[in-house]
Amino acid sequence: SQQGEEDPQALSIQEGENATMNCSYKTSINNLQWYRQNSGRGLVHLILIRSNEREKHSGRLRVTLDTSKKSSSLLITASRAADTASYFCATDPVTGANSKLTFGKGITLSVRP
Amino acid sequence: KAGVTQTPRYLIKTRGQQVTLSCSPISGHRSVSWYQQTPGQGLQFLFEYFSETQRNKGNFPGRFSGRQFSNSRSEMNVSTLELGDSALYLCASSSHRGHEQYFGPGTRLTVT
Repeated sequence: SQQGEEDPQALSIQEGENATMNCSYKTSINNLQWYRQNSGRGLVHLILIRSNEREKHSGRLRVTLDTSKKSSSLLITASRAADTASYFCATDPVTGANSKLTFGKGITLSVRP
Repeated sequence: KAGVTQTPRYLIKTRGQQVTLSCSPISGHRSVSWYQQTPGQGLQFLFEYFSETQRNKGNFPGRFSGRQFSNSRSEMNVSTLELGDSALYLCASSSHRGHEQYFGPGTRLTVT
């Protein structure tokens, strides 16, 4: 089963608005990562937040992590049409040396010009 | 640094055939992971290799196999293809377990 579950499944906003996407997970993690995928292409790493961090920024991206609630949010400010893509959260679980990065099902973001 | 490359980019095969996909990781990366992506199932983990050893395996039948060479390049093989194997196959490399993964553009496999 998927470790990360994103919410909502789809989001449509107007250019210039902010987009907020959420991710919940089930087990303890070392870090949580967000990726973007443009249609039919490979995923691109956006940001990594470690379990001992609460907030991280990268350009127009802001990620928060609440380990007590096992949840994370990705905020994209001042969205652009080029932000239209699918967004995935991925968790690195604390389950041993052979654990694997586990991806959620993704959120489809549409930014209308 | 050159990115992750995957070959071929597109492939059309017939049921019952077999296929081999190739992935060249970023120079210096020793971990290579493979994923299958379909509209219905999303992104599903196939396997991970590190220094020529399979470190992790997803829940796929034995028809799916892989290997990694001493130069970290990896191949995955699917034998006796089924219609349901049609998907985008993604390869990702990483310098260490749990670190950010760098994805290739994928191989689009269509089974007819």
